[in-house]
Amino acid sequence: SQTIHQWPATLVQPVGSPLSLECTVEGTSNPNLYWYRQAAGRGLQLLFYSVGIGQISSEVPQNLSASRPQDRQFILSSKKLLLSDSGFYLCAWSESYLRFFGPGTRLTVL
Amino acid sequence: DAKTTQPPSMDCAEGRAANLPCNHSTISGNEYVYWYRQIHSQGPQYIIHGLKNNETNEMASLIITEDRKSSTLILPHATLRDTAVYYCIVSSDNYGQNFVFGPGTRLSVLP
Repeated sequence: SQTIHQWPATLVQPVGSPLSLECTVEGTSNPNLYWYRQAAGRGLQLLFYSVGIGQISSEVPQNLSASRPQDRQFILSSKKLLLSDSGFYLCAWSESYLRFFGPGTRLTVL
Repeated sequence: DAKTTQPPSMDCAEGRAANLPCNHSTISGNEYVYWYRQIHSQGPQYIIHGLKNNETNEMASLIITEDRKSSTLILPHATLRDTAVYYCIVSSDNYGQNFVFGPGTRLSVLP
């Protein structure tokens, strides 16, 4: 069966520091991959999606970037974090019409 | 923007059926209705989806009106563990921006 991993589970970073969040999927090949962000008390906002290695689409302009160096690996990065980057970051993969989410990373920028 | 409208919150007594409504009056013919839920501090969990016909699985039932402009998610015997935010989504797009999560309905199951 398919499994999606995210790490770290929680992260506290100072403003201006870099960021790297990693997501890996097991048990499937060539999945569509997604990064979402959920601010406190808000809905999920789609940040990036990828339909293949090296193929990244950005949904909103922002301080973040994404990369897909391997088929089942999706990385979310930032060179300099802002206070507004705090939130709950979720990775997801899709097969057919369904999306499946990872456990998330809670990022606090101080 | 989300193409669905849901009540912001609902309460349900433990053991009773929870009926969560969703309006999607602008749904297109090729768009499915999906339901997910998010328990606090976890990733959203898929529940059920449908196109035209009513659907049932081990978690819930989905009732879609004949004109497809609204639907209801039914949890037949709600438990305390069903307390969560429930999201109704309409989409035909497997890739990007059309799979939009709105604010959802916060369901509280009360003992």
